[in-house]
Amino acid sequence: DVKVTQSSRYLVKRTGEKVFLECVQDMDHENMFWYRQDPGLGLRLIYFSYDVKMKEKGDIPEGYSVSREKKERFSLILESASTNQTSMYLCASRRTGGGYEQYFGPGTRLTVT
Amino acid sequence: GQQLNQSPQSMFIQEGEDVSMNCTSSSIFNTWLWYKQDPGEGPVLLIALYKAGELTSNGRLTAQFGITRKDSFLNISASIPSDVGIYFCAGPGGTSYGKLTFGQGTILTVHP
Repeated sequence: DVKVTQSSRYLVKRTGEKVFLECVQDMDHENMFWYRQDPGLGLRLIYFSYDVKMKEKGDIPEGYSVSREKKERFSLILESASTNQTSMYLCASRRTGGGYEQYFGPGTRLTVT
Repeated sequence: GQQLNQSPQSMFIQEGEDVSMNCTSSSIFNTWLWYKQDPGEGPVLLIALYKAGELTSNGRLTAQFGITRKDSFLNISASIPSDVGIYFCAGPGGTSYGKLTFGQGTILTVHP
């Protein structure tokens, strides 16, 4: 069964802090994605990784960076958290050649105060 | 980027009623996906459609890939309280690595 886990369900950080969100998948998927979800805006792609150490910007990469040192793990980094980064963050993975289906983790609700 | 318009934005229905929602694209798609997100959880894939005109069911859910390839429909029959959540459509979001573009979501509330 497909399994994507995220390190925290809820996180509260202060403005200016460096924040790490971790995502792990156990399906040996090549592609991994980070989205943020805000009411009325749907899911917006921040960054994705198509292989280990490979990454590409999504639609809203500003203020974020990512790291993928191992195939199963994809980290989202907020270098200096700001209040407008308060959101729900969702990680997903996909198998190359497996169609467009992406499988999501449970999400991390981040609040920046 | 590509735009998906999903409607309605929200629905308030009584238990037992049927539900219909749809999604339209500004461009032709070769795949349509429908996800459901329970409150406080990540989206879960409900149905994947790969062919224009295709009609696929998953229990009480039925989805169709429109013949124009620019739209898709999701129907839920005989709704129950656990159908509550946000329903998203999604389609290919670019040329690389399986990126998806998502609709804004339909928030479904079911009154017992």
